[in-house]
Formats: sequence, C-alpha cells, structure tokens
Amino acid sequence: DQQVKQNSPSLSVQEGRISILNCDYTNSMFDYFLWYKKYPAEGPTFLISISSIKDKNEDGRFTVFLNKSAKHLSLHIVPSQPGDSAVYFCAAREAASYDKVIFGPGTSLSVIP
Amino acid sequence: GAVVSQHPSRVICKSGTSVKIECRSLDFQATTMFWYRQFPKKSLMLMATSNEGSKATYEQGVEKDKFLINHASLTLSTLTVTSAHPEDSSFYICSAEGQMYEKLFFGSGTQLSVL
Repeated sequence: DQQVKQNSPSLSVQEGRISILNCDYTNSMFDYFLWYKKYPAEGPTFLISISSIKDKNEDGRFTVFLNKSAKHLSLHIVPSQPGDSAVYFCAAREAASYDKVIFGPGTSLSVIP
Repeated sequence: GAVVSQHPSRVICKSGTSVKIECRSLDFQATTMFWYRQFPKKSLMLMATSNEGSKATYEQGVEKDKFLINHASLTLSTLTVTSAHPEDSSFYICSAEGQMYEKLFFGSGTQLSVL
C-alpha cells in the first residue's frame, strides 16, 4: 500500500510559468513533509519541508502548501526555470516510526525554454 | 552544509560476487543512516535503517542476509550485497540525518550492474 502518492508521473511547463507538483498521503500520523529534487544518477537534494502544524512554507521560488484535512500537499515553483527540470519526490516522515522517510514515486518535471 | 560521500559511484560485477558500498558523513556525526534502492522510473524504496553500534532495521521484504549493513562508527555505514545476482542491479543511495532533524542528506548513489 503506497502511503505517499504522486499521481502525475510527469509534468511539462513553459519557462517563466508556475509549476505545481501534487502529493497525497494516507497515513495521518505523518508529521513532517519534505520535497526532494533528483537528477539522473545522482542522490536527491533537499528542497523544502513543512511541519504538520503549518499550512504553508516559502523559500525563494519554492512554496509548499499542506492541507491536512485532505491529506494533500503541493509544491509550487514560480517562475519555473529550465534548470528545474528534474524528478521531484514528495516524502513524509513519522516521528513515532523511527523517523524513517517514505517517498512518493516522483514526478518528472520538464521546463521548456 | 552537510555532505555525505558514497563510494563507489558505479560498480560492475559478476554474478555470485559480493559488493560493498560505503557511505560516509564528512562533516557531521550521523547516528542514523538510511539505505534506499531505486529501480528505473520508480520511487526510492527504503531498504533499511542503520543505527550506529546496533543492528540495522530492515524493511519488510528486504533480505537481511543478502544486504548486510554495518554502521561501525558515527560517520560510516556500509552496505554489502552478498552473492549478487542480475536482479540486484539497481541504483543504491544512502542518506544520513543531519543536524537539522528534519533533513536527510543523501550520497550521490551507486549504480550496481550485475552481469
């Protein structure tokens, strides 16, 4: 059973426009959510995170929104740049479960110049 | 910032041999390290959680005798794929918990190809 879902395997966005990547989760015990960016054959790099006690966190061009009632979060990238083209993983962790991080399947973002 | 070094980045081996992958936290002490496996176009699958000085905790479905994990110090964890077979070919990534509780820092990954 997939606890973290990213239903869009891929997304294409024009440069300068907004990219919105969505993530849904099923485990209500998750208390921290993270977004990672990954290039091929490289390890993921941390982008932004949000605690379950917040509903928004912003860092430069990246904003993460959390809707706990809907068990949904989204990553907004604005303006999108060609260098943002990568696979984005949504991840969640549950402090009570040895802090392990569960990753979604990822969404491949292509930003078209 | 925190850096995690993973070595080797790529390894090709014959079926039946064992392969060791090292994961080091370079500028911080990592009491907990995680090992992930990624299949092509698939998500990162957590294999095991490695705690310094104790036995690793394996996820369901991961063979502990096949994937030996050792976390002998606060800066080094190793994953040994024993008697590797072609189906073990994958991209393996380690991560370590940084000083900031919520962040994981990842190694650059190891592409294992078993012939």
